Amino acid sequence: QKEVEQNSGPLSVPEGAIASLNCTYSDRGSQSFFWYRQYSGKSPELIMSIYSNGDKEDGRFTAQLNKASQYVSLLIRDSQPSDSATYLCAPQNDYKLSFGAGTTVTVRA
Amino acid sequence: DADVTQTPRNRITKTGKRIMLECSQTKGHDRMYWYRQDPGLGLRLIYYSFDVKDINKGEISDGYSVSRQAQAKFSLSLESAIPNQTALYFCATSDRLGDTQYFGPGTRLTVL
Repeated sequence: QKEVEQNSGPLSVPEGAIASLNCTYSDRGSQSFFWYRQYSGKSPELIMSIYSNGDKEDGRFTAQLNKASQYVSLLIRDSQPSDSATYLCAPQNDYKLSFGAGTTVTVRA
Repeated sequence: DADVTQTPRNRITKTGKRIMLECSQTKGHDRMYWYRQDPGLGLRLIYYSFDVKDINKGEISDGYSVSRQAQAKFSLSLESAIPNQTALYFCATSDRLGDTQYFGPGTRLTVL
């Protein structure tokens, strides 16, 4: 069983604050790591990918990866109400994704 | 038009019925996947196909079968539906690099 654990939610943050999402994974063969955003009743959409240790920034999103610790995180800066969604962590091994249960983020206006 | 489409979008059926969920894509991708999503459990892989002649079981394939009719079409069948197959089902595609997966809009299936 390839386990992916995400911090339990829901996570409530005020507008303009930083939302911090964490994810640990058990499969050491995981090569690529993805963060998907899923609005209620909708399909997941990719927001970030990261392949090597360190940080990767894309707009208000920053992904961090530490393969030795089997840890990946996502920071959302200047949180907006439109960021209210469930965020899914998905390590990939051999072209197959394993998903965590997700962390639901609510941004308070 | 959407790149990945799923039909039907909603379906209510009874225990023991055979049901087919269909997925079509216009992205030209070789790889296609079927997932189910249950509240609190995330998405779990049912079956995947890397090309027309390739079918592979995922982590929860029992009770399901698939057919890859063409590069663009991948169908999921429940031969005899049971209530614990009530879930949201997603189809996804990716190219040969297998990097990013693109998801369809989902099918909400209820088995009574």
